[in-house]
Amino acid sequence: DAKTTQPPSMDCAEGRAANLPCNHSTISGNEYVYWYRQIHSQGPQYIIHGLKNNETNEMASLIITEDRKSSTLILPHATLRDTAVYYCIVRVVGGGFKTIFGAGTRLFVKA
Amino acid sequence: NAGVTQTPKFQVLKTGQSMTLQCAQDMNHEYMSWYRQDPGMGLRLIHYSVGAGITDQGEVPNGYNVSRSTTEDFPLRLLSAAPSQTSVYFCASSPGPGLVYNEQFFGPGTRLTVL
Repeated sequence: DAKTTQPPSMDCAEGRAANLPCNHSTISGNEYVYWYRQIHSQGPQYIIHGLKNNETNEMASLIITEDRKSSTLILPHATLRDTAVYYCIVRVVGGGFKTIFGAGTRLFVKA
Repeated sequence: NAGVTQTPKFQVLKTGQSMTLQCAQDMNHEYMSWYRQDPGMGLRLIHYSVGAGITDQGEVPNGYNVSRSTTEDFPLRLLSAAPSQTSVYFCASSPGPGLVYNEQFFGPGTRLTVL
């Protein structure tokens, strides 16, 4: 699976959009981009995934560049409860049993 | 559905002791995995299974054994606990092949301290 690079930490004001970047320059054509988050010491939680088109669900939006070498997770209206570590992962279809997590980005949402 | 359950929630062991961390899922998922997370670090894959009777090693398998006799259960055994195994252990499951997104569902974790 391709490696990813994320900033170690970011701040965001409550109510503003949080934009979390991820570089995955060695991504292969059959690899998807997934985002998970981990709130405090709980188990990670799936947020969203995509291949090459932008995706949106009730939690977030995922923007993937045309060359697929980077992506951005957008939390449109961040709340204090969004303070967490966010993991960007790339892996092949059906590879969910062997997900490799990096260090992620620690997002602090401030009042 | 209870999802992914793990027992115990907390455990303290002495060096050299052995124990089994339990993991069960009631979603009929084929895939299951064990991760450890050290303080301030990301998750590291220990072992995984793609179905009953099939297991394989992840990034950090040394000192741990697994087996998968049923679809529902995937226990993790510490053979001879060492202080370096002090960590939070997460079990995860996900649906089998053929599904595009293959989201992983994580348990609440077991916090293990080895003295």
